Amino acid sequence: GAVVSQHPSRVICKSGTSVKIECRSLDFQATTMFWYRQFPKQSLMLMATSNEGSKATYEQGVEKDKFLINHASLTLSTLTVTSAHPEDSSFYICSAVPGLAGGQYFGPGTRLTVT
Amino acid sequence: DAKTTQPTSMDCAEGRAANLPCNHSTISGNEYVYWYRQIHSQGPQYIIHGLKNNETNEMASLIITEDRKSSTLILPHATLRDTAVYYCIVGGTSYDKVIFGPGTSLSVIP
Repeated sequence: GAVVSQHPSRVICKSGTSVKIECRSLDFQATTMFWYRQFPKQSLMLMATSNEGSKATYEQGVEKDKFLINHASLTLSTLTVTSAHPEDSSFYICSAVPGLAGGQYFGPGTRLTVT
Repeated sequence: DAKTTQPTSMDCAEGRAANLPCNHSTISGNEYVYWYRQIHSQGPQYIIHGLKNNETNEMASLIITEDRKSSTLILPHATLRDTAVYYCIVGGTSYDKVIFGPGTSLSVIP
């Protein structure tokens, strides 16, 4: 159990366009999901906390107008990278929380390349 | 900043036990110790967590010292597929945000 999916797994887009990444909890409901970004040879960096039905909480230094997060249902959160630039190229990973204890469950990640 | 300290890298022979240490000297009374791992180019995978008692599941065992200032993750019979970066995290409930440190890069050698 506790499976999290992400779509797409990889995407290439042109500079200036927007890209939407979906994160779904497949076999449980998740009121809380998290979005991370990971650059090559670095650790995961938390971007924001996504709560169903309310606004996301962004970490310091993460532009909320650039990285739009929508958690519209208990099984789906989306991250939209608006006006993407090459420096936004990264590995984006989401996680979802199935319960009070037991850790977070992570999606397989989305590799974004902006040309 | 991450609240844990782990060795940067470790090697382990295939079939032997891998013992990954973690120091968390500033852990507070209601904080758990969580372990995750990340195989190259994949999302992290939850392994195990504990509060003060030792824990075991199908993947690993977690040994927490009595003073809770350090812990050890044990993979009893390491395989090549266990080669990954292992992250030791200290935190509250699952709903609390997780700050990842650099972790330990474990290489299982044939």
